Amino acid sequence: GNSVTQMEGPVTLSEEAFLTINCTYTATGYPSLFWYVQYPGEGLQLLLKATKADDKGSNKGFEATYRKETTSFHLEKGSVQVSDSAVYFCALSRVRGGSQGNLIFGKGTKLSVKP
Amino acid sequence: DTAVSQTPKYLVTQMGNDKSIKCEQNLGHDTMYWYKQDSKKFLKIMFSYNNKELIINETVPNRFSPKSPDKAHLNLHINSLELGDSAVYFCASSPDRASNSPLHFGNGTRLTVT
Repeated sequence: GNSVTQMEGPVTLSEEAFLTINCTYTATGYPSLFWYVQYPGEGLQLLLKATKADDKGSNKGFEATYRKETTSFHLEKGSVQVSDSAVYFCALSRVRGGSQGNLIFGKGTKLSVKP
Repeated sequence: DTAVSQTPKYLVTQMGNDKSIKCEQNLGHDTMYWYKQDSKKFLKIMFSYNNKELIINETVPNRFSPKSPDKAHLNLHINSLELGDSAVYFCASSPDRASNSPLHFGNGTRLTVT
C-alpha cells in the first residue's frame, strides 16, 4: 500500500544552518507530494507541493524536488531561522490530483532552531 | 477572521462520557474533514464530507459519529469515551473533493480522557 517515511526527529540546529529533512514514499500510480508545517498550538499549514516527477515545490525559502527514481521528496532550506521551529509533515495523495483530504501523512519531524 | 474554527480547544472528560466537538468554516468550501493526531504526532484522516455527504469513512469505531448540518459545519460526536480516544482532533476544509488547493486546518481540540 501507499506509505510515507520521514526521518525521525527531533532535529536541533543553530540559526543559519542548512536543513534537510528526508522523506521517501511508496505508492502505486502517480501521487502528488506535499510538505505541511505545524507550529506550536496550531493546525497544519501547506508549505509546498509537487504534482509530478521532477517538479520542485518552494515556499518561504524551503524547497523539495519530486524524485521518482529515488521515490523521495526531501525538504531543504539553506539558512534556518528560530521562527522555523515547528513539526514538518511529508504527505502524499492517494491518487494524482485527488482531494488533499485523502492524504497519507508521515509521522512528522520536529525541528528546533536555537539562536 | 478565523477561517476554520473548532470548539472547544481543550476537553477533559471521564471514561464512558459522551462529548461533541464542533467545527465551522467561513471559507465557502464544499469539503470538510476530521483528522486525529495521536501523542506521537501521527496524523490520520477519520471522516470527510462533501456538501453534507459522507465521502470518506476510515476504519473508525462506531462510537464516533460525524454530523454535517450544512456545508459550513462538521461536528464530531463521540459516545462512551475510552482512554485511547485521548488525542488532538483537527477539523479541516478544502474547496472541493478533487481540488489541489491547500487544506485549511483548525487549531485543534485536545481531548483528554481520564
